[in-house]
Amino acid sequence: GAVVSQHPSRVICKSGTSVKIECRSLDFQATTMFWYRQFPKQSLMLMATSNEGSKATYEQGVEKDKFLINHASLTLSTLTVTSAHPEDSSFYICSAKGTSGLSYEQYFGPGTRLTVT
Amino acid sequence: AQSVTQLDSQVPVFEEAPVELRCNYSSSVSVYLFWYVQYPNQGLQLLLKYLSGSTLVESINGFEAEFNKSQTSFHLRKPSVHISDTAEYFCALVPRGGGTSYGKLTFGQGTILTVHP
Repeated sequence: GAVVSQHPSRVICKSGTSVKIECRSLDFQATTMFWYRQFPKQSLMLMATSNEGSKATYEQGVEKDKFLINHASLTLSTLTVTSAHPEDSSFYICSAKGTSGLSYEQYFGPGTRLTVT
Repeated sequence: AQSVTQLDSQVPVFEEAPVELRCNYSSSVSVYLFWYVQYPNQGLQLLLKYLSGSTLVESINGFEAEFNKSQTSFHLRKPSVHISDTAEYFCALVPRGGGTSYGKLTFGQGTILTVHP
């Protein structure tokens, strides 16, 4: 149980285009999803927290107009990188928290490798 | 505010040797502590967690970590490593209570463990 998927696993796009990444909880309802970004050889940095049916909360320094997050259902959250540039190339990972209410129970997706050319 | 420091960015060891990956944390509130493992181009997998009770926690694949409150540490150890343990390991924490940090994991910088034959 507690499986989180991400799609696509890898994507290459041209500079100036937009890319959508999906994060799905396959066998549980995720009231909260977290989006992280991981630069090469660095740790995960939390970008934003999304709660189902409400606006995402972005961490300081993250452009909300560039990284659009939608959490329309209890099993799906999407991250759209708008007008992507090469510096947006990174590994994006989502995690999902169930309805148990326990703050530590998060399950991670396998990540999406974005390359902007 | 919370922070996690992993003291070693890379740890090379030979197969069947013991290993210790160091983690220190700082927090003004009580926290839950975790170790995650990340294999190349994959998401994070929970290795073990400390919530309460016994300060020594174990994983199913032979890793253990000990919570030391006085030294604010949560070092990860394994008495005999295998080639398959080669991966990046992240120490992380999440605040126990609510508030704006609810559910937000804070990660260390990661330690790359490389097991040589």
